[in-house]
Amino acid sequence: EAQVTQNPRYLITVTGKKLTVTCSQNMNHEYMSWYRQDPGLGLRQIYYSMNVEVTDKGDVPEGYKVSRKEKRNFPLILESPSPNQTSLYFCASSWGRGWKLFFGSGTQLSVL
Amino acid sequence: GQQLNQSPQSMFIQEGEDVSMNCTSSSIFNTWLWYKQDPGEGPVLLIALYKAGELTSNGRLTAQFGITRKDSFLNISASIPSDVGIYFCAGQREASGSRLTFGEGTQLTVNP
Repeated sequence: EAQVTQNPRYLITVTGKKLTVTCSQNMNHEYMSWYRQDPGLGLRQIYYSMNVEVTDKGDVPEGYKVSRKEKRNFPLILESPSPNQTSLYFCASSWGRGWKLFFGSGTQLSVL
Repeated sequence: GQQLNQSPQSMFIQEGEDVSMNCTSSSIFNTWLWYKQDPGEGPVLLIALYKAGELTSNGRLTAQFGITRKDSFLNISASIPSDVGIYFCAGQREASGSRLTFGEGTQLTVNP
């Protein structure tokens, strides 16, 4: 089954404790992206990647890192999480230029 | 910041009613997309629009790419309980390359 898989689904952590949210897709998509969803703000792009070893900042990249060492994986790294990064995070992938996105099921992160 | 204004923010309707929502911007967009997010899941693409004036249907859903290229509309006819969810518009601008901008979302509740 074609899918985007994120882990974990839920995560509670404390300020400053490094964490990684994994994302993997099995559709051989070139384009992958991370979004955060906050009430009243819709989906805001954090980082995106057009292909392996190519990453670019989205609208809200501060406090996040990504890497794209393999085509299928695009982990999101929070080196020192803060409470304002409490949010619902989505990974997405697409063929080509990234418009017809396939989304994962989301990761609900709480930073205390 | 946000460049798409989506309205209404929420709707409460009775089963069988028709629904209309829209997305507007001060910028010109080349592509408009509509996504639906079911509770607890990631957004799923409903309709993609590529030309000004284009009208596209997907079952009971119909979306239009505004002639000015600054807006888009989504209509749902004869709503059913499974239409419940958050509907997002998304647009791609010439200047933004591969990046999509999302609206804030319309929360739809359908009462049986």
